[in-house]
Amino acid sequence: DAGVIQSPRHEVTEMGQEVTLRCKPISGHDYLFWYRQTMMRGLELLIYFNNNVPIDDSGMPEDRFSAKMPNASFSTLKIQPSEPRDSAVYFCASRLTYNEQFFGPGTRLTVL
Amino acid sequence: AQRVTQPEKLLSVFKGAPVELKCNYSYSGSPELFWYVQYSRQRLQLLLRHISRESIKGFTADLNKGETSFHLKKPFAQEEDSAMYYCALGRGSTLGRLYFGRGTQLTVWP
Repeated sequence: DAGVIQSPRHEVTEMGQEVTLRCKPISGHDYLFWYRQTMMRGLELLIYFNNNVPIDDSGMPEDRFSAKMPNASFSTLKIQPSEPRDSAVYFCASRLTYNEQFFGPGTRLTVL
Repeated sequence: AQRVTQPEKLLSVFKGAPVELKCNYSYSGSPELFWYVQYSRQRLQLLLRHISRESIKGFTADLNKGETSFHLKKPFAQEEDSAMYYCALGRGSTLGRLYFGRGTQLTVWP
């Protein structure tokens, strides 16, 4: 298994543009998590899904952020419009109920 | 409410010295505790899970429910141990989400 896959690995965009981050969880995992990592705030949970259903989105910073999981093998995190303060590394992670949580390699987002 | 506290943002030791990364938690139920490690610009990966009671890469961690702590220890630090370490708390029978601490950046000097 290739593990959790994220794309793109790096994204540089200009303020105001729409950004879409993608995640493919490990096959068979029923939980999917989106995190944001910054020097100032550390690792923050943005939203997580269980069986494709959003369970807790209280970490989503504002309405500019949205996440979807249309099926068990794909999820997106969208920022529209993007702002410089959104610059961070975004991690996706997946897990099978009571087992180890696996992280993806992350997407390094830079908003100019 | 559940919370994980890692009091040290930065920790530096010399190679061969003992190292202890502190983690305290607050949770009224029965917790599951984890240590994750992130080497430079890599993904986070599980280092230890308290129920496994394993020693990974020379690291151990004991859950102390009386002190609500899960400190990570290694008797002799190596340069390759330099990384960011996150303590995490899970709750309930399914774990749900994990609650992460702010992380401790460990630097081991030669």
